[in-house]
Amino acid sequence: KQEVTQIPAALSVPEGENLVLNCSFTDSAIYNLQWFRQDPGKGLTSLLLIQSSQREQTSGRLNASLDKSSGRSTLYIAASQPGDSATYLCAVTKAAGNKLTFGGGTRVLVKP
Amino acid sequence: NAGVTQTPKFRILKIGQSMTLQCTQDMNHNYMYWYRQDPGMGLKLIYYSVGAGITDKGEVPNGYNVSRSTTEDFPLRLELAAPSQTSVYFCASRSPTAGLADNSPLHFGNGTRLTVT
Repeated sequence: KQEVTQIPAALSVPEGENLVLNCSFTDSAIYNLQWFRQDPGKGLTSLLLIQSSQREQTSGRLNASLDKSSGRSTLYIAASQPGDSATYLCAVTKAAGNKLTFGGGTRVLVKP
Repeated sequence: NAGVTQTPKFRILKIGQSMTLQCTQDMNHNYMYWYRQDPGMGLKLIYYSVGAGITDKGEVPNGYNVSRSTTEDFPLRLELAAPSQTSVYFCASRSPTAGLADNSPLHFGNGTRLTVT
């Protein structure tokens, strides 16, 4: 059974510092991995999707890497801003299936 | 473009009551999902549907039922509410790209916060 873990559960950084968020998964037979952002009282917004054949994806200040062999993905957010404060979740899609398995999320606070 | 719309936003139920959580999407997506999110936990899949008339169980289906009579709507039914069903419920949808069904991003509604007392 696939298990997805995100450590730490919470993170606080000063504005301007780079954010590094970790995601690990137990079964490397994944189809893709997605990173989501969740604001309080809201649904999830998809940030980046990395296909299993890719090593990384970039969008603006966000960069996500994927190392299937070690079961890890990292989301980098450059030059953090208070508006980046949110909970970030990763999720993997198993091979030949369309169901996502989510991690518990990392709650991020960027202090002005 | 409304995206994925969930109603109601909040609901309090007594044990044993029933209710239907509504979900509708206007993006003509084939795939729709129901998740529940408990505090500090990730999302767990309750039911999903790959198209009108087709539904399947997810990870935690007990105590719930779904139907998919149209592409747009995917209601979730709780027949006998229990305190263990206190949670935030999210509906999501996505459109399978031809040949790359699993590589399209999920679109989420804003959730329904349900309390069973």
